[in-house]
Amino acid sequence: QSVLTQPPSASGTPGQWVTISCSGSKSNIGSNPVNWYQQFPGTAPKLLIYSNDQRPSGVSDRFSASKSGTSASLAISGLQSEAEADYYCATWDDSLNGYVFGSGTKVTVL
Amino acid sequence: QVQLVESGGGVAQPGRSLRISCTASGFIFSSYVFHWVRQAPGKGLEWVASISYDGNNNFYADSVKGRFTASRDKFKNALYLQMNNLRVEDTAVYYCARDALGWQSLVRSWFDSWGQGTLVTVSS
Repeated sequence: QSVLTQPPSASGTPGQWVTISCSGSKSNIGSNPVNWYQQFPGTAPKLLIYSNDQRPSGVSDRFSASKSGTSASLAISGLQSEAEADYYCATWDDSLNGYVFGSGTKVTVL
Repeated sequence: QVQLVESGGGVAQPGRSLRISCTASGFIFSSYVFHWVRQAPGKGLEWVASISYDGNNNFYADSVKGRFTASRDKFKNALYLQMNNLRVEDTAVYYCARDALGWQSLVRSWFDSWGQGTLVTVSS
């Protein structure tokens, strides 16, 4: 059971806007910045968003994220087939004294 | 360029031990903190351990505390994860990942580079 809760799946047609939620608590999202990772099947995760809403160099501006209270969200605009992947939120948990990941959301382009 | 390469995965019986490695290149190894993250087949990501600059002040997930030990060798630019008393539920792909900000900023940091992973299977 993951400490951070994400919907198991999200989908949309090409060009649509898709959002993924990440729900936590005061000891994790409520206290620390959230990061997002993208993972394609059979490959290693890749940093997608850091410090709540910052995109690393090379990441498409179709990806954006935000945080409010004990929840965070990732948005994908102009959905394309290349965005089909698993997405994980992550942050530090002050109570557990370690990193926690979300349960993961599989994005499908219909 | 930054490169992390894991090795040493394989099959081990429950209760036995295994050590996996991660070799780093393309950056100043001693300047970074690292992490081990695992992913059971068909499951999500799970943080396992964080390794300090000298390897002597590490954090571990409760699920592996007392059984796993993380270490590093500055001369070989390598990380290690010694896994003892293995359980079936330890079966996973194990990734090493580099920390972006460092030990003093661990709670605010993120994992900016990942290796390709090595598969550990625990089965009788």
